[in-house]
Amino acid sequence: SQTIHQWPATLVQPVGSPLSLECTVEGTSNPNLYWYRQAAGRGLQLLFYSVGIGQISSEVPQNLSASRPQDRQFILSSKKLLLSDSGFYLCAWSGLGLNYEQYFGPGTRLTVT
Amino acid sequence: RKEVEQDPGPFNVPEGATVAFNCTYSNSASQSFFWYRQDCRKEPKLLMSVYSSGNEDGRFTAQLNRASQYISLLIRDSKLSDSATYLCVVNMKGGYQKVTFGTGTKLQVIP
Repeated sequence: SQTIHQWPATLVQPVGSPLSLECTVEGTSNPNLYWYRQAAGRGLQLLFYSVGIGQISSEVPQNLSASRPQDRQFILSSKKLLLSDSGFYLCAWSGLGLNYEQYFGPGTRLTVT
Repeated sequence: RKEVEQDPGPFNVPEGATVAFNCTYSNSASQSFFWYRQDCRKEPKLLMSVYSSGNEDGRFTAQLNRASQYISLLIRDSKLSDSATYLCVVNMKGGYQKVTFGTGTKLQVIP
């Protein structure tokens, strides 16, 4: 069966510091991968998605970037965090099923201070 | 008009009650529809996909109304464990890979 891992689970970082969040998927190959952010009390906002190694589509202009160095690894980065980057970051994968259902990792709760 | 719109609730219902949520979407070309459940401070989990003919999974029934552009979720015989936020998800543009999440409807089942 497929599993998706994210780490760390929680993170507190000062403004201006760099960020690196990692997501890995097991039990499937060539998944579509996604990064979302959920601000407190708000809906999920799609940040990036990837349909293959090195292929990244950005949905929202911001100071974040994403990379996919391996088929089942997706990384979210920032060179300098802003206060507004605080939120719940979720990685998801989807296969090539009929409806491309997405399955989420446990998330990283980021607080920028 | 929002791409995906849900009543935020909360819906407070007694155990054993039947409750229904609706979700409207703006893009008539949307093809894929889902209901997710999100517990407090946890990741969303897929509850069910919504098919054109409607579908049922135990106490949960999902319906799609393309003419009026809404989907619905019916929960029968509510349990305390059903308390959560229910997210409506629709694919909007760019093909099947990308979807848009509603902001969710909060359900609280009361003993």
